[in-house]
Amino acid sequence: EIVLTQSPATLSLSPGERATLSCRASQTLSTYLAWFQQKPGQAPRLLIYDASNRATGIPARFSGSGSGTDFTLTISGLQPEDFALYYCQHRVSGLATFGGGTKVEIK
Amino acid sequence: QVQLQESGPGLVKPSGTLSLSCAVSGDSITSTKWWSWFRQPPGKGLEWIGEIYHSGSTNYNPSLKSRVAISVDKSNNQFSLSLNSVTAADTAVYYCARLESGNFDYWGQGTLVTVSS
Repeated sequence: EIVLTQSPATLSLSPGERATLSCRASQTLSTYLAWFQQKPGQAPRLLIYDASNRATGIPARFSGSGSGTDFTLTISGLQPEDFALYYCQHRVSGLATFGGGTKVEIK
Repeated sequence: QVQLQESGPGLVKPSGTLSLSCAVSGDSITSTKWWSWFRQPPGKGLEWIGEIYHSGSTNYNPSLKSRVAISVDKSNNQFSLSLNSVTAADTAVYYCARLESGNFDYWGQGTLVTVSS
């Protein structure tokens, strides 16, 4: 089973700053990684798929990169609505796993 | 506009069976997609439970496989989750979602299920 480890657990930043979130896989991923945003009381929202492709309607300030075992979600210029929880997720051979999440909070 | 809506009892007794349904609109349950269930205990992360294709093929999380069954109801364009022998550890918000081209792109709003006597 592939384990996804996200870091840091919490990221304290001010609006306008850049956020860099990391997701490390326990083994090389044969298919790509997705990133989700979740706000309190809401369902997860797909942001990035296949490591670097923005989902429909996702602003350009969200970008994903990486391959192999190391992946990054970057939010360029944090907006007030971006302070939330972020999860990375991988699916292979009919088994999906999530990282533990990174909370982006207002400093 | 694809929409998913979970429904079912919000309270289940320990050792009982949790049963939820997910009604799909804006897409057909018989389309070439998989349909999935997730859960999130209060204050904790997301856990994938399993998924089903309209043919009846299923994949389950190995940690829950012995207690889970997912089924599809083509006539009502919905799919369902059954989890037996529940304990307090199964208390969570349960979500259904669509799997399209390997990505969980549409989600229901979630429903809280509490296991308590």
